[in-house]
Amino acid sequence: AQSVTQPDIHITVSEGASLELRCNYSYGATPYLFWYVQSPGQGLQLLLKYFSGDTLVQGIKGFEAEFKRSQSSFNLRKPSVHWSDAAEYFCAVGASGTYKYIFGTGTRLKVLA
Amino acid sequence: SAVISQKPSRDICQRGTSLTIQCQVDSQVTMMFWYRQQPGQSLTLIATANQGSEATYESGFVIDKFPISRPNLTFSTLTVSNMSPEDSSIYLCSVDYGDNEKLFFGSGTQLSVL
Repeated sequence: AQSVTQPDIHITVSEGASLELRCNYSYGATPYLFWYVQSPGQGLQLLLKYFSGDTLVQGIKGFEAEFKRSQSSFNLRKPSVHWSDAAEYFCAVGASGTYKYIFGTGTRLKVLA
Repeated sequence: SAVISQKPSRDICQRGTSLTIQCQVDSQVTMMFWYRQQPGQSLTLIATANQGSEATYESGFVIDKFPISRPNLTFSTLTVSNMSPEDSSIYLCSVDYGDNEKLFFGSGTQLSVL
């Protein structure tokens, strides 16, 4: 069955600390992978996406993610977190030619000053 | 980047009533999508709305409960009919601009049913 798992429901980090949000997927075909961020009262904004090629993907706001096929993972990282990064983060998986993305349940990030 | 306006941003409704949510996009798009985000859960695709054709509903969603209109290439509505407390969710409109299969989302409609 196709699924996306974000094991961490909540994560709290101090401002300036590094961040890694986990995402594991189960998908039959070669996946398209996405990370979205949702700030309070806002819609989802795309941080980055992976379709093919270099497995380390750079996104907006200083985020990056690494696709590891052997581990079925697509973890999101940021070397130094800012207070404005506090939000909910969603990992999603899909396939070429379809918009039926499967979203994870999200990880809510809290940033301590 | 895309500008997607959704109205209302939030509403509190009585059981048994209906609410229509509007989604206005700043440029013409072929495909528009409606998602539901239940409390503490992930996003679930309700239906795909293409202009000039009937909306395509996902498993578990039916037209009688969630009728959708798509009168032109920049606008769509989703109606949540005969509401019950279980319909309390965030409803999100999203579009594809043909930009390498990247979805843009509206800011959502927070619906509470009493």
